[in-house]
Amino acid sequence: AQSVAQPEDQVNVAEGNPLTVKCTYSVSGNPYLFWYVQYPNRGLQFLLKYITGDNLVKGSYGFEAEFNKSQTSFHLKKPSALVSDSALYFCAVRDRGNNRLAFGKGNQVVVIP
Amino acid sequence: DAGVIQSPRHEVTEMGQEVTLRCKPISGHNSLFWYRQTMMRGLELLIYFNNNVPIDDSGMPEDRFSAKMPNASFSTLKIQPSEPRDSAVYFCASSLQAGDNNEQFFGPGTRLTVL
Repeated sequence: AQSVAQPEDQVNVAEGNPLTVKCTYSVSGNPYLFWYVQYPNRGLQFLLKYITGDNLVKGSYGFEAEFNKSQTSFHLKKPSALVSDSALYFCAVRDRGNNRLAFGKGNQVVVIP
Repeated sequence: DAGVIQSPRHEVTEMGQEVTLRCKPISGHNSLFWYRQTMMRGLELLIYFNNNVPIDDSGMPEDRFSAKMPNASFSTLKIQPSEPRDSAVYFCASSLQAGDNNEQFFGPGTRLTVL
């Protein structure tokens, strides 16, 4: 069964500094990988996905993520964090042979002004 | 498009009562998912439908939970009887087709409190 690990509970970063949210995954085959963001009292919003092709994926709000097959990672990055980026971030994976989407536990990102 | 619509947004009920959560997916989407989110267990998939047919209900906690999708634009998640441990935020999501690379679009959720 596929699974996702988001090792950090909370990521603190100063406004303007680079932001990285870590994600590693486990699947039996080639993965589909996703990042979602959740603001307080809201549903999850899609940020970006990796399906195939270029390992660097660009998404909404200036976020990007890099697929690394050898390290089974899909870390989310943003070059310069904004206070408004403070939210809960979820990594998710789906095995191409399985219809279920497995979510990580989420990382709380706090951007300090 | 209005996005995925869920109702009610908040529900407070007493233990033993029946609770019905409602979802309207995005028009044209043919896959629908029900999730539950709690602090302890995170985000859990309860059940999903393809073309109104339940495909995987292995995440449904127990027989007190049931879900239906009578048509392409409406689904319900029912809890009968409800218990305090059912308190959570319940999300509905839809996508173009499960099993492909399509992302899911989430509704705003229903915050359920069972006293």
